[in-house]
Amino acid sequence: ETGVTQSPTHLIKTRGQQVTLRCSSQSGHNTVSWYQQALGQGPQFIFQYYREEENGRGNFPPRFSGLQFPNYSSELNVNALELDDSALYLCASSWGGLRRDTQYFGPGTRLTVL
Amino acid sequence: DQQVKQNSPSLSVQEGRISILNCDYTNSMFDYFLWYKKYPAEGPTFLISISSIKDKNEDGRFTVFLNKSAKHLSLHIVPSQPGDSAVYFCAASRSNDYKLSFGAGTTVTVRA
Repeated sequence: ETGVTQSPTHLIKTRGQQVTLRCSSQSGHNTVSWYQQALGQGPQFIFQYYREEENGRGNFPPRFSGLQFPNYSSELNVNALELDDSALYLCASSWGGLRRDTQYFGPGTRLTVL
Repeated sequence: DQQVKQNSPSLSVQEGRISILNCDYTNSMFDYFLWYKKYPAEGPTFLISISSIKDKNEDGRFTVFLNKSAKHLSLHIVPSQPGDSAVYFCAASRSNDYKLSFGAGTTVTVRA
């Protein structure tokens, strides 16, 4: 059984650019959540996908968008990057949807916006 | 609006002694609480959880206590070991809402 993986590990972008981050869920999991962790803070919920549909969203603007694929892998897209988007982006998978279950996190992607 | 608060940013404890980490929450709708542990360059790792129908849950060296009236929970690690040195996050969620609300974390250092 493989755990949650994320790519790339690190990324540097400039303001105004767009970025795509990727996540592969743990085997058997059908739900993926994305979190943003700014320096010195806890992770903040961005959104969750269950069976390829958005299942809930946190307080993030529409330029943060996502996709979940039939194999339950996922992407986080951020358009028009701002300096404050610099953070660690974490994805977490679970066997959730209608049943709450423990979320298992990947190692994260460190995004730096210059 | 920070609904989950960990007011101690750091904790230093001697190996073999007890580590006590505290967490407070403001949203009375939260009914499920978790602790995660995070090493540098890794994602948070699930440690232990507790449902609001319980006031205590134990797993080996780790025990979580929940005081619903005070909206407070704590994590006890006994005995503390050097490998416990990490950042610990408290998280909470409510029924039918699977997002986790996290505290800012407490950095634990276990001294030999």
